[in-house]
Amino acid sequence: DAKTTQPNSMESNEEEPVHLPCNHSTISGTDYIHWYRQLPSQGPEYVIHGLTSNVNNRMASLAIAEDRKSSTLILHRATLRDAAVYYCILRDASFGNEKLTFGTGTRLTIIP
Amino acid sequence: GAVVSQHPSRVICKSGTSVKIECRSLDFQATTMFWYRQFPKQSLMLMATSNEGSKATYEQGVEKDKFLINHASLTLSTLTVTSAHPEDSSFYICSASKTGWNQPQHFGDGTRLSIL
Repeated sequence: DAKTTQPNSMESNEEEPVHLPCNHSTISGTDYIHWYRQLPSQGPEYVIHGLTSNVNNRMASLAIAEDRKSSTLILHRATLRDAAVYYCILRDASFGNEKLTFGTGTRLTIIP
Repeated sequence: GAVVSQHPSRVICKSGTSVKIECRSLDFQATTMFWYRQFPKQSLMLMATSNEGSKATYEQGVEKDKFLINHASLTLSTLTVTSAHPEDSSFYICSASKTGWNQPQHFGDGTRLSIL
């Protein structure tokens, strides 16, 4: 599986935007970039995914570099409820709904 | 949105007991479900892929006789930890996705298993 690299931890102030980076220099042409987050003592939650173009949904935005070797998850206005571990995962869509391989993720702390 | 329900949320039992965990997709059918295990301060580790109507596919290093998986219907998969020991204490999480291409995974809230 293609690997992703994320910072272990980040901090952000409440009500400010948060940019969570992810490097995936060995990404293949059929790999989608998925983001999930896990709140304390809960199962992960789907956030967003994309292939080449930037994506927006009600939770976040995903900015994908032109060469696809990196991406950034953007939380436009962080709240205390956004404190979680964020996982950037590559998923090969050519195999349909394949399993997810979780790395260590980024632990996001929101400062009130 | 899609909902995956996991039961029970917490189990505490004696060593040697077998424990069954249920994973249900409440508003969609899932031919494939996944079982993960997460130790404290670690990431999720995939244990097995549960396939409706056929045998589960286990990841390397996961004992299939220890962790029995049954996926008897399109909305239910069960994981049974047989003869559990303290080292099996962990957070067990299931996931499922709707039928269709490149669908996101929907996760249950997990089962915290504590073996005394």
